[in-house]
Amino acid sequence: SAVISQKPSRDICQRGTSLTIQCQVDSQVTMMFWYRQQPGQSLTLIATANQGSEATYESGFVIDKFPISRPNLTFSTLTVSNMSPEDSSIYLCSVRGGGSYEQYFGPGTRLTVT
Amino acid sequence: AQTVTQSQPEMSVQEAETVTLSCTYDTSESDYYLFWYKQPPSRQMILVIRQEAYKQQNATENRFSVNFQKAAKSFSLKISDSQLGDAAMYFCAYRSPPGVKLIFGTGTLLAVQP
Repeated sequence: SAVISQKPSRDICQRGTSLTIQCQVDSQVTMMFWYRQQPGQSLTLIATANQGSEATYESGFVIDKFPISRPNLTFSTLTVSNMSPEDSSIYLCSVRGGGSYEQYFGPGTRLTVT
Repeated sequence: AQTVTQSQPEMSVQEAETVTLSCTYDTSESDYYLFWYKQPPSRQMILVIRQEAYKQQNATENRFSVNFQKAAKSFSLKISDSQLGDAAMYFCAYRSPPGVKLIFGTGTLLAVQP
Protein backbone atom coordinates (compact mmCIF):
# COMPACT_ATOMS: atom_id res chain seq x y z
CA SER A 1 0.00 0.00 0.00
CA ALA A 2 1.00 3.63 -0.47
CA VAL A 3 1.55 6.18 2.28
CA ILE A 4 -0.24 9.40 1.45
CA SER A 5 0.03 12.74 3.19
CA GLN A 6 -2.04 15.86 2.71
CA LYS A 7 -1.46 19.46 3.63
CA PRO A 8 -3.09 21.24 5.30
CA SER A 9 -5.01 18.84 7.49
CA ARG A 10 -7.62 21.49 8.09
CA ASP A 11 -8.25 25.14 7.38
CA ILE A 12 -10.83 27.83 7.93
CA CYS A 13 -11.11 30.22 5.02
CA GLN A 14 -13.16 33.26 4.14
CA ARG A 15 -15.55 33.22 1.23
CA GLY A 16 -14.13 34.48 -2.02
CA THR A 17 -10.61 33.22 -1.29
CA SER A 18 -8.81 30.15 -2.64
CA LEU A 19 -7.06 27.25 -0.94
CA THR A 20 -4.53 24.87 -2.43
CA ILE A 21 -4.36 21.36 -0.99
CA GLN A 22 -1.25 19.28 -1.46
CA CYS A 23 -1.06 15.51 -1.78
CA GLN A 24 2.25 13.66 -1.47
CA VAL A 25 2.73 9.93 -2.01
CA ASP A 26 5.72 7.90 -0.88
CA SER A 27 5.96 6.00 -4.17
CA GLN A 28 5.36 6.68 -7.83
CA VAL A 29 1.76 6.17 -8.85
CA THR A 30 0.10 6.43 -12.21
CA MET A 31 -3.28 7.69 -11.15
CA MET A 32 -4.31 10.15 -8.48
CA PHE A 33 -7.82 11.11 -7.58
CA TRP A 34 -9.47 13.92 -5.67
CA TYR A 35 -12.69 13.28 -3.77
CA ARG A 36 -15.04 15.52 -1.85
CA GLN A 37 -16.91 14.38 1.23
CA GLN A 38 -19.53 16.87 2.29
CA PRO A 39 -20.63 16.85 5.93
CA GLY A 40 -22.36 13.58 6.75
CA GLN A 41 -22.25 12.49 3.13
CA SER A 42 -20.49 9.92 1.02
CA LEU A 43 -17.48 10.49 -1.20
CA THR A 44 -17.84 12.04 -4.62
CA LEU A 45 -15.09 11.96 -7.22
CA ILE A 46 -14.03 15.43 -8.35
CA ALA A 47 -11.38 14.52 -10.90
CA THR A 48 -8.71 12.07 -11.97
CA ALA A 49 -5.18 13.39 -12.39
CA ASN A 50 -2.58 11.62 -14.51
CA GLN A 51 0.94 12.91 -14.75
CA GLY A 52 1.63 14.81 -17.95
CA SER A 53 -1.97 15.30 -18.97
CA GLU A 54 -4.94 17.45 -18.10
CA ALA A 55 -7.12 16.27 -15.26
CA THR A 56 -10.40 14.60 -16.13
CA TYR A 57 -13.33 16.14 -14.27
CA GLU A 58 -16.55 14.45 -13.27
CA SER A 59 -19.93 15.88 -14.07
CA GLY A 60 -20.66 18.86 -11.89
CA PHE A 61 -17.03 19.83 -11.35
CA VAL A 62 -15.13 22.29 -13.54
CA ILE A 63 -11.50 23.21 -13.90
CA ASP A 64 -12.06 26.90 -13.15
CA LYS A 65 -13.42 26.02 -9.73
CA PHE A 66 -11.12 23.09 -8.94
CA PRO A 67 -7.85 23.44 -10.85
CA ILE A 68 -5.54 20.48 -10.39
CA SER A 69 -1.83 20.11 -10.99
CA ARG A 70 0.12 16.86 -11.35
CA PRO A 71 3.75 17.81 -11.92
CA ASN A 72 5.21 14.36 -11.20
CA LEU A 73 4.33 10.82 -10.21
CA THR A 74 4.32 11.47 -6.44
CA PHE A 75 2.60 14.83 -6.06
CA SER A 76 -0.63 16.64 -6.90
CA THR A 77 -2.47 19.75 -5.81
CA LEU A 78 -6.14 20.65 -5.78
CA THR A 79 -7.18 24.29 -5.54
CA VAL A 80 -10.63 25.26 -4.37
CA SER A 81 -11.23 28.64 -5.95
CA ASN A 82 -13.51 31.52 -5.04
CA MET A 83 -14.82 29.59 -2.07
CA SER A 84 -18.33 29.73 -0.68
CA PRO A 85 -19.76 28.06 2.44
CA GLU A 86 -21.06 25.26 0.20
CA ASP A 87 -17.44 24.25 -0.41
CA SER A 88 -17.06 23.28 3.25
CA SER A 89 -16.12 19.63 3.01
CA ILE A 90 -13.39 17.11 3.53
CA TYR A 91 -11.20 16.81 0.45
CA LEU A 92 -9.41 13.49 0.03
CA CYS A 93 -6.58 12.50 -2.21
CA SER A 94 -6.48 8.92 -3.43
CA VAL A 95 -3.99 6.95 -5.48
CA ARG A 96 -3.90 3.84 -7.59
CA GLY A 97 -0.53 2.58 -8.72
CA GLY A 98 1.09 0.04 -10.95
CA GLY A 99 -0.78 -3.21 -11.28
CA SER A 100 -2.88 -2.67 -8.20
CA TYR A 101 -6.54 -2.11 -8.77
CA GLU A 102 -6.99 -0.87 -5.26
CA GLN A 103 -7.25 2.75 -4.27
CA TYR A 104 -5.65 4.14 -1.15
CA PHE A 105 -6.70 7.33 0.54
CA GLY A 106 -4.95 10.18 2.25
CA PRO A 107 -6.06 11.51 5.65
CA GLY A 108 -8.09 14.30 4.09
CA THR A 109 -8.24 18.07 4.42
CA ARG A 110 -11.14 19.48 6.40
CA LEU A 111 -12.13 22.81 4.87
CA THR A 112 -14.52 25.24 6.52
CA VAL A 113 -15.58 28.32 4.60
CA THR A 114 -17.05 31.20 6.58
CA ALA B 1 -25.77 4.41 -14.25
CA GLN B 2 -24.32 2.33 -11.48
CA THR B 3 -25.53 2.99 -7.96
CA VAL B 4 -24.59 1.68 -4.53
CA THR B 5 -27.11 1.63 -1.69
CA GLN B 6 -26.48 1.16 2.00
CA SER B 7 -29.83 1.05 3.74
CA GLN B 8 -28.52 1.10 7.31
CA PRO B 9 -27.37 4.60 8.30
CA GLU B 10 -26.37 3.35 11.76
CA MET B 11 -25.72 0.02 13.41
CA SER B 12 -24.67 -1.03 16.86
CA VAL B 13 -23.02 -4.22 18.10
CA GLN B 14 -21.79 -5.51 21.41
CA GLU B 15 -18.12 -6.18 21.76
CA ALA B 16 -17.26 -9.77 20.75
CA GLU B 17 -20.54 -10.17 18.88
CA THR B 18 -21.09 -10.42 15.13
CA VAL B 19 -22.65 -7.75 12.95
CA THR B 20 -23.61 -7.65 9.28
CA LEU B 21 -23.67 -4.49 7.22
CA SER B 22 -25.77 -4.47 4.07
CA CYS B 23 -24.99 -3.16 0.61
CA THR B 24 -26.82 -3.49 -2.66
CA TYR B 25 -25.78 -2.18 -6.04
CA ASP B 26 -27.20 -1.75 -9.47
CA THR B 27 -25.22 -2.41 -12.62
CA SER B 28 -25.60 -3.92 -16.05
CA GLU B 29 -21.93 -4.90 -16.15
CA SER B 30 -20.77 -8.47 -15.63
CA ASP B 31 -17.20 -7.64 -14.63
CA TYR B 32 -16.65 -5.40 -11.65
CA TYR B 33 -15.08 -5.07 -8.24
CA LEU B 34 -16.72 -4.42 -4.91
CA PHE B 35 -15.03 -2.98 -1.85
CA TRP B 36 -15.67 -2.22 1.77
CA TYR B 37 -13.82 0.77 3.18
CA LYS B 38 -13.58 1.78 6.83
CA GLN B 39 -13.34 5.41 7.89
CA PRO B 40 -12.56 5.79 11.61
CA PRO B 41 -13.12 9.10 13.39
CA SER B 42 -9.57 10.06 12.42
CA ARG B 43 -10.98 9.90 8.84
CA GLN B 44 -8.17 7.92 7.18
CA MET B 45 -10.01 5.64 4.78
CA ILE B 46 -8.82 2.05 4.98
CA LEU B 47 -9.59 -0.73 2.55
CA VAL B 48 -11.14 -3.60 4.50
CA ILE B 49 -11.91 -6.16 1.86
CA ARG B 50 -12.49 -6.53 -1.86
CA GLN B 51 -14.41 -8.95 -4.06
CA GLU B 52 -14.03 -9.65 -7.75
CA ALA B 53 -17.38 -10.30 -9.40
CA TYR B 54 -16.07 -13.26 -11.39
CA LYS B 55 -15.10 -15.10 -8.22
CA GLN B 56 -17.83 -17.20 -6.66
CA GLN B 57 -15.94 -17.62 -3.41
CA ASN B 58 -16.65 -15.00 -0.82
CA ALA B 59 -13.64 -12.92 0.25
CA THR B 60 -12.36 -13.19 3.80
CA GLU B 61 -9.83 -11.09 5.70
CA ASN B 62 -9.38 -12.27 9.27
CA ARG B 63 -12.55 -11.24 11.16
CA PHE B 64 -14.08 -9.63 8.08
CA SER B 65 -15.95 -11.60 5.45
CA VAL B 66 -18.45 -10.83 2.75
CA ASN B 67 -21.58 -12.48 1.47
CA PHE B 68 -21.56 -11.79 -2.26
CA GLN B 69 -24.78 -12.61 -4.03
CA LYS B 70 -24.23 -11.64 -7.66
CA ALA B 71 -27.71 -12.44 -8.92
CA ALA B 72 -29.28 -10.43 -6.13
CA LYS B 73 -26.63 -7.69 -6.48
CA SER B 74 -25.97 -7.86 -2.79
CA PHE B 75 -22.62 -7.45 -1.01
CA SER B 76 -22.85 -7.57 2.78
CA LEU B 77 -19.96 -7.31 5.23
CA LYS B 78 -19.81 -9.52 8.30
CA ILE B 79 -17.61 -8.52 11.20
CA SER B 80 -17.01 -11.32 13.67
CA ASP B 81 -15.79 -10.93 17.25
CA SER B 82 -16.35 -7.17 17.07
CA GLN B 83 -13.76 -4.99 18.74
CA LEU B 84 -13.91 -1.42 19.97
CA GLY B 85 -11.52 -0.45 17.19
CA ASP B 86 -14.08 -1.55 14.61
CA ALA B 87 -16.19 1.51 15.42
CA ALA B 88 -16.19 3.59 12.25
CA MET B 89 -18.11 4.61 9.19
CA TYR B 90 -18.17 1.79 6.66
CA PHE B 91 -18.55 2.50 2.96
CA CYS B 92 -19.42 0.03 0.26
CA ALA B 93 -17.92 0.88 -3.13
CA TYR B 94 -18.12 -0.36 -6.71
CA ARG B 95 -15.83 -0.13 -9.69
CA SER B 96 -16.24 -1.50 -13.18
CA PRO B 97 -13.09 -1.91 -15.26
CA PRO B 98 -11.59 -0.47 -17.31
CA GLY B 99 -13.04 2.51 -15.47
CA VAL B 100 -11.18 3.78 -12.44
CA LYS B 101 -13.98 5.62 -10.72
CA LEU B 102 -15.14 4.31 -7.36
CA ILE B 103 -18.84 4.72 -6.67
CA PHE B 104 -19.58 4.87 -2.98
CA GLY B 105 -22.66 4.16 -0.94
CA THR B 106 -23.82 6.59 1.72
CA GLY B 107 -22.14 4.69 4.53
CA THR B 108 -23.12 2.88 7.71
CA LEU B 109 -21.96 4.23 11.04
CA LEU B 110 -21.04 1.31 13.27
CA ALA B 111 -20.90 1.71 17.03
CA VAL B 112 -19.33 -0.98 19.21
CA GLN B 113 -20.63 -1.18 22.76
CA PRO B 114 -18.28 -2.44 25.48
